[in-house]
Amino acid sequence: DVKVTQSSRYLVKRTGEKVFLECVQDMDHENMFWYRQDPGLGLRLIYFSYDVKMKEKGDIPEGYSVSREKKERFSLILESASTNQTSMYLCASSYPDSYQPQHFGDGTRLSIL
Amino acid sequence: AQSVTQPDIHITVSEGASLELRCNYSYGATPYLFWYVQSPGQGLQLLLKYFSGDTLVQGIKGFEAEFKRSQSSFNLRKPSVHWSDAAEYFCGGDNQGGKLIFGQGTELSVKP
Repeated sequence: DVKVTQSSRYLVKRTGEKVFLECVQDMDHENMFWYRQDPGLGLRLIYFSYDVKMKEKGDIPEGYSVSREKKERFSLILESASTNQTSMYLCASSYPDSYQPQHFGDGTRLSIL
Repeated sequence: AQSVTQPDIHITVSEGASLELRCNYSYGATPYLFWYVQSPGQGLQLLLKYFSGDTLVQGIKGFEAEFKRSQSSFNLRKPSVHWSDAAEYFCGGDNQGGKLIFGQGTELSVKP
């Protein structure tokens, strides 16, 4: 079974802090994704990566950056956290073909105070 | 612009009743289509997917979905809902090499 593991289920940080969210997958998937989920807005894509050291902006990249130094790990970075980044963050991974489904982690609920 | 729309934000059905969750897509060509379910505090789990062939696809947990090109729809159905089906359901479409666009989600409540 595919396993996508997010390092924290709940995280509380302060405004202005640099925040790291970590995601690891064990299926050798090329593609990895970061989404944020907000009520009434569904899932919105922040960044995605098709390969090591490769990244592309999604629909809402402002205030975020990512790092993919190894194939199995994809990190989301909030450079200077703000209260409007309080949200549920979901990581996913998949094989590169369009018909391959994405596999999701359990999410990190991040609160910025 | 490409989009996926779930018109119903919240649906309540009685246990044992049938269920239909609506999903409409707007793409230049037929995208690959997926339905996911999210239980409280969990990530998304794939229910089923469509990418070609038979327009009626079967998924896990007794769900099925029908692709209708003429209506640009991919509605999710279940003949008899169980209390454990209470969750949020997301429809998604992909025609860009692995990048999904999701609908806003439909929250399902089940009455005893």
